[in-house]
Amino acid sequence: AQSVTQPDIHITVSEGASLELRCNYSYGATPYLFWYVQSPGQGLQLLLKYFSGDTLVQGIKGFEAEFKRSQSSFNLRKPSVHWSDAAEYFCAGGYNKLIFGAGTRLAVHP
Amino acid sequence: DAGVIQSPRHEVTEMGQEVTLRCKPISGHNSLFWYRQTMMRGLELLIYFNNNVPIDDSGMPEDRFSAKMPNASFSTLKIQPSEPRDSAVYFCASSLEVVDYGYTFGSGTRLTVV
Repeated sequence: AQSVTQPDIHITVSEGASLELRCNYSYGATPYLFWYVQSPGQGLQLLLKYFSGDTLVQGIKGFEAEFKRSQSSFNLRKPSVHWSDAAEYFCAGGYNKLIFGAGTRLAVHP
Repeated sequence: DAGVIQSPRHEVTEMGQEVTLRCKPISGHNSLFWYRQTMMRGLELLIYFNNNVPIDDSGMPEDRFSAKMPNASFSTLKIQPSEPRDSAVYFCASSLEVVDYGYTFGSGTRLTVV
């Protein structure tokens, strides 16, 4: 079955530290892949997307993600986290409709 | 552009009542999606439309749920009769094509059925 898995439910990092959020997908072929961010009480905002080509994609707010076909992964990274990055992050994938992972809630310590 | 507009933002209703959620997609977007978000089940796709035509409603929980898209600028999700387990945040999203450009989400409708 097609699925998107985010293994980490909750992550806490210190402000200024680096961040990596994990995402794995299970599809017959490489789907379109996305990362979204959701702040409390808000809708989801698109951070970045991958279709094909360069496996390292840049997004908004200083985020990037790397697609690794061999690992069926699309991990989100940021070199230095800011307190305002505290939110819930969703990985999503699909061909004609998006399936979302369960989300990773990020807390940032000052 | 005002983005995807959902109304109401909050809805509290009694069990057994009919509830109608509304969505106005971004002008020019030809695909519209309804998602439900709960703590237990995360984000679930309920139904999506392409060019106003329902394409996949396999996520609609049961016959109490129905969705329509009478034109390119308006969609409704109706629950009749509502039950407490329908309490959730319901999101509408739209996109230029079905997936390619990603979805733009509305702010959601928080539904509470008491």
